[in-house]
Amino acid sequence: GAGVSQSPSNKVTEKGKDVELRCDPISGHTALYWYRQSLGQGLEFLIYFQGNSAPDKSGLPSDRFSAERTGGSVSTLTIQRTQQEDSAVYLCASSLQGSDTQYFGPGTRLTVL
Amino acid sequence: GQQLNQSPQSMFIQEGEDVSMNCTSSSIFNTWLWYKQDPGEGPVLLIALYKAGELTSNGRLTAQFGITRKDSFLNISASIPSDVGIYFCAGQWTGTASKLTFGTGTRLQVTL
Repeated sequence: GAGVSQSPSNKVTEKGKDVELRCDPISGHTALYWYRQSLGQGLEFLIYFQGNSAPDKSGLPSDRFSAERTGGSVSTLTIQRTQQEDSAVYLCASSLQGSDTQYFGPGTRLTVL
Repeated sequence: GQQLNQSPQSMFIQEGEDVSMNCTSSSIFNTWLWYKQDPGEGPVLLIALYKAGELTSNGRLTAQFGITRKDSFLNISASIPSDVGIYFCAGQWTGTASKLTFGTGTRLQVTL
């Protein structure tokens, strides 16, 4: 079946612009995660959605970052007033339930000029 | 955010050699995971460990969950060219928060 998909695959933007990154999880997966991977680094947790529960936003680096998950499926990560340090690969993962294996999408490479 | 200490940072080995990498944490986890990431792709799960002291194999891969719950290692036996990639450990505290805390990665390059 289809895996986790993300769009766009690459995004180049100018400093100060807002960007939206999209994640389509595996159908039926109730848990969805966003991670950020800076160049040459490991993945850093950003936010976690589980069903209808309030999301765990503990990893969001600033209030310029927000995410929503509509209808328990697709999720959008929004970065407002982008800065150069926001440049990274943003990865989405989903799992059947919160404690199950997380399956990752290919990521969106964001470059802020 | 927190990242686990993973070593070595990179390795150059010859095809057929065995590889060993490890991961340490200042805090305990109840699940340890090892992922492999190829260029332009998301990480793919290799092995999951759920119990302190557990030793698990998946083909040529063997991983162990440290007794203290603060460390894990991954061995790859008889490496082949397609083993090239970046290997990440990840700790997870299931039950209350399912986010993964990742290691800094080990870049593996295999020469013929």
